[in-house]
Amino acid sequence: EADIYQTPRYLVIGTGKKITLECSQTMGHDKMYWYQQDPGMELHLIHYSYGVNSTEKGDLSSESTVSRIRTEHFPLTLESARPSHTSQYLCASSELAGGERDTQYFGPGTRLTVL
Amino acid sequence: SQKIEQNSEALNIQEGKTATLTCNYTNYSPAYLQWYRQDPGRGPVFLLLIRENEKEKRKERLKVTFDTTLKQSLFHITASQPADSATYLCACDEGYSTLTFGKGTMLLVSP
Repeated sequence: EADIYQTPRYLVIGTGKKITLECSQTMGHDKMYWYQQDPGMELHLIHYSYGVNSTEKGDLSSESTVSRIRTEHFPLTLESARPSHTSQYLCASSELAGGERDTQYFGPGTRLTVL
Repeated sequence: SQKIEQNSEALNIQEGKTATLTCNYTNYSPAYLQWYRQDPGRGPVFLLLIRENEKEKRKERLKVTFDTTLKQSLFHITASQPADSATYLCACDEGYSTLTFGKGTMLLVSP
């Protein structure tokens, strides 16, 4: 089991609410990622970070924002949730060294439903 | 970025047989390919990584091949068991330490 945690596991909220999805890892990994995955579909990278104070946008355009103030913590925030944000959000981390160490360790995911 | 194609139809096999899953990529040859297992409602779990200059990699009952001419990787599970039932994802290195994932192929192993 990877030491990467996501909370909450499930979240049902109304349109317009601000939400923050939490992700923490205890492996000391520099790189962290957020993916969005719909049922039966591929993972889409929405944000990633190389380390503290580093954040980059992924391939999939997202209205969410992220921050990386501490190595172990990479929260994702939606300022105003909409039904189109309903999805599974997966957080992952990997070492900075590259190559074999680019294998990613995933959290259990947060299933978000916006009504 | 890469486009990864995996068979969208579930693969049904009997226990004890060898399962073979296919991953095709469309653009440049990636530095390496990775295979992950994903169970329903959970995050993917890393299984194997194979580099561009490696033809084959093995780990216990798992074997991965990488054919840059065919732009294809094959993932084999020998002596399959019902516990191997899951969705298997192929991922290509995109540089900058990011990966592009395929949709995955669901494997169902019946007793």
